[in-house]
Amino acid sequence: QSALTQPASVSGSPGQSITISCTGTSSDVGGYNYVSWYQQHPGKAPKLMIYGVVNRPSGVSHRFSGSKSGNTASLTISGLQGEDEADYYCSSYTSTFTLVFGGGTKVTVL
Amino acid sequence: QVQLLESGGGLVKPGGSLRLSCAASGFTFSDFHMTWIRQAPGKGPEWVSFINPSGTSMYYADSVKGRFTISRDNAKNSLYLQMNSLRVEDTALYFCTKEIFTGSGAAFDYWGQGTLVTVSS
Repeated sequence: QSALTQPASVSGSPGQSITISCTGTSSDVGGYNYVSWYQQHPGKAPKLMIYGVVNRPSGVSHRFSGSKSGNTASLTISGLQGEDEADYYCSSYTSTFTLVFGGGTKVTVL
Repeated sequence: QVQLLESGGGLVKPGGSLRLSCAASGFTFSDFHMTWIRQAPGKGPEWVSFINPSGTSMYYADSVKGRFTISRDNAKNSLYLQMNSLRVEDTALYFCTKEIFTGSGAAFDYWGQGTLVTVSS
């Protein structure tokens, strides 16, 4: 199973909005509404930010939102803050009953 | 509160074996799918294996199929990963994770702190 494709880095100024893309195939991202997004700060375990393409777990800021079009899912961070600087990973359930992650995107707050 | 505590990692030579354990608390363990995910140094997470609540269905990444075995003991609230024929490329921090709810499509709301497996001669 090939990894999902994410941009290596995305940056923005405080208060701006940024969007991270996650491209797969019809066998994963495009075939199921089972895309999740994780935030990871250095030395910490990943934190679930979005599940089921658009759902936020309890406690996650409303500044984080998810969407999907075809084989590409997206994570948007609105009102960018310094604490949002981290690595972000998407994941998707697949047609072979497995899970695939993206390569990760480093978000930098300028 | 939910806690996942991994143990069993360490340094092992190529071809060797290790058994990882994960002690779960703070939720009804027998109601949830459980998953092992690993992360090599400086790399992104890689899904390894998951097991259904009753322990009757298991799935593996191609990279570990035939070498790793996932299991659980619901009476002990514990998850395990038996790793045989270890390779250098298995070196990683291994996380025990809990699915947010059954049918979420493998979204994990709780992760342990990880246990480090180093495979080196």
